[in-house]
Amino acid sequence: QKEVEQNSGPLSVPEGAIASLNCTYSDRGSQSFFWYRQYSGKSPELIMSIYSNGDKEDGRFTAQLNKASQYVSLLIRDSQPSDSATYLCAAQRGFGAGTRLTVKP
Amino acid sequence: DTGVSQNPRHKITKRGQNVTFRCDPISEHNRLYWYRQTLGQGPEFLTYFQNEAQLEKSRLLSDRFSAERPKGSFSTLEIQRTEQGDSAMYLCASSTPPRIYGYTFGSGTRLTVV
Repeated sequence: QKEVEQNSGPLSVPEGAIASLNCTYSDRGSQSFFWYRQYSGKSPELIMSIYSNGDKEDGRFTAQLNKASQYVSLLIRDSQPSDSATYLCAAQRGFGAGTRLTVKP
Repeated sequence: DTGVSQNPRHKITKRGQNVTFRCDPISEHNRLYWYRQTLGQGPEFLTYFQNEAQLEKSRLLSDRFSAERPKGSFSTLEIQRTEQGDSAMYLCASSTPPRIYGYTFGSGTRLTVV
């Protein structure tokens, strides 16, 4: 079983909509979780970290963590074409395969 | 500080040759990580240093791979007797405690083995 599992997508949403990205993790001992954005041909860039159950908001981004369900999600409100990228979920050392998001104008 | 620096950006090598990559982390970051990423996949953990000590190494890392961080500053990753399956993007990242701050990645070194 992989440490982090993500729906690889692709996910397509219209501009201005909410994009919802999800991942699950296998190690109950994991304490910190991260979302990275990776544009094509570029390296990953940290956009959110979360370590407590519940929601954490930063601008248009909201990360959600449910340790009982071993589930992490990322919501992107008012999606913009510039949000089109692959979003990687990470826990401890492990990364998911990423979900490719396309925001259509 | 200009972030995490990796050299070279691209490397093409013939199968069987040895290659070495360099990573210069953010100066105040004492933790350094090497990952490998292939197309359509997430980064795969290779190894981790805290200061000069190599604390963790993936079991996926064959003995052809070796990494060093001699003075707790820059790090090198060497691949001996390269194989076509080694073709990938090699990413270096650094961080500082606590873990909640996540990683800062370098731009990566793209290796092509022909």
